Amino acid sequence: GAVVSQHPSRVICKSGTSVKIECRSLDFQATTMFWYRQFPKKSLMLMATSNEGSKATYEQGVEKDKFLINHASLTLSTLTVTSAHPEDSSFYICSAEGAGSDEQFFGPGTRLTVL
Amino acid sequence: LAKTTQPISMDSYEGQEVNITCSHNNIATNDYITWYQQFPSQGPRFIIQGYKTKVTNEVASLFIPADRKSSTLSLPRVSLSDTAVYYCLVGDGVRGNTDKLIFGTGTRLQVFP
Repeated sequence: GAVVSQHPSRVICKSGTSVKIECRSLDFQATTMFWYRQFPKKSLMLMATSNEGSKATYEQGVEKDKFLINHASLTLSTLTVTSAHPEDSSFYICSAEGAGSDEQFFGPGTRLTVL
Repeated sequence: LAKTTQPISMDSYEGQEVNITCSHNNIATNDYITWYQQFPSQGPRFIIQGYKTKVTNEVASLFIPADRKSSTLSLPRVSLSDTAVYYCLVGDGVRGNTDKLIFGTGTRLQVFP
């Protein structure tokens, strides 16, 4: 199946700093990418849907100014957690869907720890 | 998007068959049923997808009754490595439509030796 990568796999940062997480589709063009957040022992929660070349669509309760999403190319989407706080510590997962496809391929996730 | 209900957890022993049932009473005509597997600190992995009756692949079978209000994921002869969380999702599987996946609680399967 198609491969989706995320970078970094884990990151530790100080409170107040910003962190960028990359999501790449390695062998296909992803017209749509999705960003999820997962707290320990909880299910994945969809944060936003990102379409290449347009603004992301955020789910209710997700602050768009705090979680900046950029989908500048068909193989790359980035999530920037701005002014991170300890409560933003979580596992962030992206998925990608190709044009004309109905299957999402998930990345391996990024563990963010905010001190 | 149809809501799904699954058991929170299940226990099994190595070599046994495990059946995890998911309820989706409000499934729409266009909805497909998809199951994902997730190991700790990893992204979900696609297991199987179906629309009706029975689907089988190299890792699992999916049974869907005629009314499609539930589905059962069957894992034959589980091993310790099958310990994971299993999610059942329903969504519009029409090609070309963007599918927003809404994850439910999932079923935490623990396989014992």
